[in-house]
Amino acid sequence: GAVVSQHPSWVICKSGTSVKIECRSLDFQATTMFWYRQFPKQSLMLMATSNEGSKATYEQGVEKDKFLINHASLTLSTLTVTSAHPEDSSFYICSAREAEGSYEQYFGPGTRLTVT
Amino acid sequence: GQNIDQPTEMTATEGAIVQINCTYQTSGFNGLFWYQQHAGEAPTFLSYNVLDGLEEKGRFSSFLSRSKGYSYLLLKELQMKDSASYLCAVLDSNYQLIWGAGTKLIIKP
Repeated sequence: GAVVSQHPSWVICKSGTSVKIECRSLDFQATTMFWYRQFPKQSLMLMATSNEGSKATYEQGVEKDKFLINHASLTLSTLTVTSAHPEDSSFYICSAREAEGSYEQYFGPGTRLTVT
Repeated sequence: GQNIDQPTEMTATEGAIVQINCTYQTSGFNGLFWYQQHAGEAPTFLSYNVLDGLEEKGRFSSFLSRSKGYSYLLLKELQMKDSASYLCAVLDSNYQLIWGAGTKLIIKP
């Protein structure tokens, strides 16, 4: 089946630094990748949708200059949290969709970010 | 606006049956998903319904009524490992997933 990996699985960083999270589709080409954030005891919140080779579409309330998304290839998307603050501490999950109009999203295992 | 409702928390006994309901109001409908999510982990796919009726898959079944904007996930022969959050999500007209807040299921021995 379709496998999506994320790296790192967890990261601790100091306030003011930047952190990059990678999302890779291992055995398929992902035309679209999604980035979610999940705070404790809350549901998934879509942050942005990225299509290979084009700019990401950010959801309302998500700062595009703070959460930089790059989808440079059909198998890799990155999310960079710039100038991280403690309130950015969360569980970040990516998912990938194989083709336009395809209904299924395949989820990565998530990245736990803690900003101290 | 788009809205998905499911109970916040449910408790059931090991070996029993539990039904988790989900109602939705979305802009367009391209199917409804149920995902299971254990604490600290990403969601895992359980089921997908796009037509009315019941889909059975082992101990888990999922039902959909599009006219009522309603779905349920039925879990039979509950096991302790079924303790998790169950997320209902609807694929809207733009093929984006709209998520419910999730139902935390607690299984007691």
